[in-house]
Amino acid sequence: SQQGEEDPQALSIQEGENATMNCSYKTSINNLQWYRQNSGRGLVHLILIRSNEREKHSGRLRVTLDTSKKSSSLLITASRAADTASYFCATDADGAGSYQLTFGKGTKLSVIP
Amino acid sequence: NAGVTQTPKFQVLKTGQSMTLQCAQDMNHNSMYWYRQDPGMGLRLIYYSASEGTTDKGEVPNGYNVSRLNKREFSLRLESAAPSQTSVYFCASSEITGPNQPQHFGDGTRLSIL
Repeated sequence: SQQGEEDPQALSIQEGENATMNCSYKTSINNLQWYRQNSGRGLVHLILIRSNEREKHSGRLRVTLDTSKKSSSLLITASRAADTASYFCATDADGAGSYQLTFGKGTKLSVIP
Repeated sequence: NAGVTQTPKFQVLKTGQSMTLQCAQDMNHNSMYWYRQDPGMGLRLIYYSASEGTTDKGEVPNGYNVSRLNKREFSLRLESAAPSQTSVYFCASSEITGPNQPQHFGDGTRLSIL
């Protein structure tokens, strides 16, 4: 079952621009995580935001969480060609401490030099 | 830092053949996971092991078995491969089990079943 859904499915921007990706989910959560996947590689954890947090920063990444709308956004500022990758949100399945993370289908970001 | 190592990286099987995908982590993590990734489907959890000696089913366990050999190693076995099992398989680990634990992934095994 799909908990998180990313939007858009694909995004193409010029180097130096900001990239914004969104994630919507269906049920209550304890936290939400964002991962990056470069072509042909495994997923890399980027950032985790807890349900009682509204915003979190890590370098050029800014994540927001709106639990009332059941949505999160990932902003990458001043994008670089190296940011070209697929980005996934992941949530715990039912907010009840489940061991299982449920991943969305991802947003494919292309940053054009 | 090796992190999570998966072998093999690529494999082609015929329908009905069996094989075992290997995964090892060197981060002293307690929990390990197997996922499959199909185009347009995202990652789906096959099995996980919260700690050494325990395994549990995930979302799509049918057709697979797992073994937590020791704290470092977690293998995935296909007893009788089917074309529907053509996918990219990822192993992951986390320090402990829990919804707020980041997972660390290997680079995957690309498996084709003819």
